Amino acid sequence: DTGVSQDPRHKITKRGQNVTFRCDPISEHNRLYWYRQTLGQGPEFLTYFQNEAQLEKSRLLSDRFSAERPKGSFSTLEIQRTEQGDSAMYLCASSLSGTGDEQYFGPGTRLTVT
Amino acid sequence: DQQVKQNSPSLSVQEGRISILNCDYTNSMFDYFLWYKKYPAEGPTFLISISSIKDKNEDGRFTVFLNKSAKHLSLHIVPSPPGDSAVYFCAASVRQGGKLIFGQGTELSVKP
Repeated sequence: DTGVSQDPRHKITKRGQNVTFRCDPISEHNRLYWYRQTLGQGPEFLTYFQNEAQLEKSRLLSDRFSAERPKGSFSTLEIQRTEQGDSAMYLCASSLSGTGDEQYFGPGTRLTVT
Repeated sequence: DQQVKQNSPSLSVQEGRISILNCDYTNSMFDYFLWYKKYPAEGPTFLISISSIKDKNEDGRFTVFLNKSAKHLSLHIVPSPPGDSAVYFCAASVRQGGKLIFGQGTELSVKP
């Protein structure tokens, strides 16, 4: 049973560039979540999907951020025109509806914007 | 507006003793509470959860207590080996399957 995987694990980019991250959830999980974590803070919710439907987006998710889950399996998170304030750990989690609220997290993608 | 608060940024305990981590919340609509452990460069790992209809849940070395009137929960870890040294987060949600609201974390250090 493989866990949640994220790719890449690390990304360094220059300000103004676009970046895209991928998340592969646990195979039978129908819910997928994106969070962002900065140093010394807990993860902050960004958005989540049930199957391919995006059910909620945080106000933290500005117009430069977009997430998709086109076939209800993997998901991508794109950040356009990156800013230094976007530097953070981007975490993906998945869960299976009807089995409780436990969300299982991937290892994260560390983004550094220079 | 910090809805979930962990007021102790760090905690140090002796190996083999009990570790008690605390968490307070402000939103009375929270229905489900969870604890996660996080090592550096890894994602959070789920430990234990509790529904608002219960006041205690136990799973192996981990016990979570919920005091709804005080809007307070705690995680007890017995015993604590050095491998338990990590950052512990409490989290809450208002409905099953919804987003989690996390506290700032408490760094537990278990000393041999």
